[in-house]
Amino acid sequence: SQQGEEDPQALSIQEGENATMNCSYKTSINNLQWYRQNSGRGLVHLILIRSNEREKHSGRLRVTLDTSKKSSSLLITASRAADTASYFCATPRGSGNTGKLIFGQGTTLQVKP
Amino acid sequence: AAGVIQSPRHLIKEKRETATLKCYPIPRHDTVYWYQQGPGQDPQFLISFYEKMQSDKGSIPDRFSAQQFSDYHSELNMSSLELGDSALYFCASSLGGALELFFGEGSRLTVL
Repeated sequence: SQQGEEDPQALSIQEGENATMNCSYKTSINNLQWYRQNSGRGLVHLILIRSNEREKHSGRLRVTLDTSKKSSSLLITASRAADTASYFCATPRGSGNTGKLIFGQGTTLQVKP
Repeated sequence: AAGVIQSPRHLIKEKRETATLKCYPIPRHDTVYWYQQGPGQDPQFLISFYEKMQSDKGSIPDRFSAQQFSDYHSELNMSSLELGDSALYFCASSLGGALELFFGEGSRLTVL
């Protein structure tokens, strides 16, 4: 089974609204990352949060991490049509910090203009 | 800024044929990763190389092999192709112990 599970699987909102995506994972981690993927394109790194951090911001993105619940959330504020994409959380394989990642199943976000 | 370059972008093969995908990492990046993403699926880690040596292995079939060359580019060789190998194959690179991966645009393999 996947390390990361995301919900919702699909989300449709109007431009200007906020979008929240959640990710759960199974094992202990040192960090968790969020990536974005436009349809059929490569993944783009959005933000990394370390296990000793609870919240991190980057522009319109806000990520939280709750290691006790083994969950993370990605909030996109004031969404734009250009935010339409799939969003994946990713955690390192095995122990320690590593770039070898296990991806969640992703949330497909549609932002309607 | 230079990104990860993958070629070819699209590839169509018949069952039981072979295919080779190439990846050129970002200059000075010393680690290369290969991922496979089936239709509607999340990316699955296949294999990685650090300084031209295999550093980790994931769910890569025995029919697949990969290597990293002296110029740091990497190639993924796939033999005896099966219909289920149809997927997007991504290469990513990173520098040293950096945790952020930079992905290429992928190579879409279709096996008929």
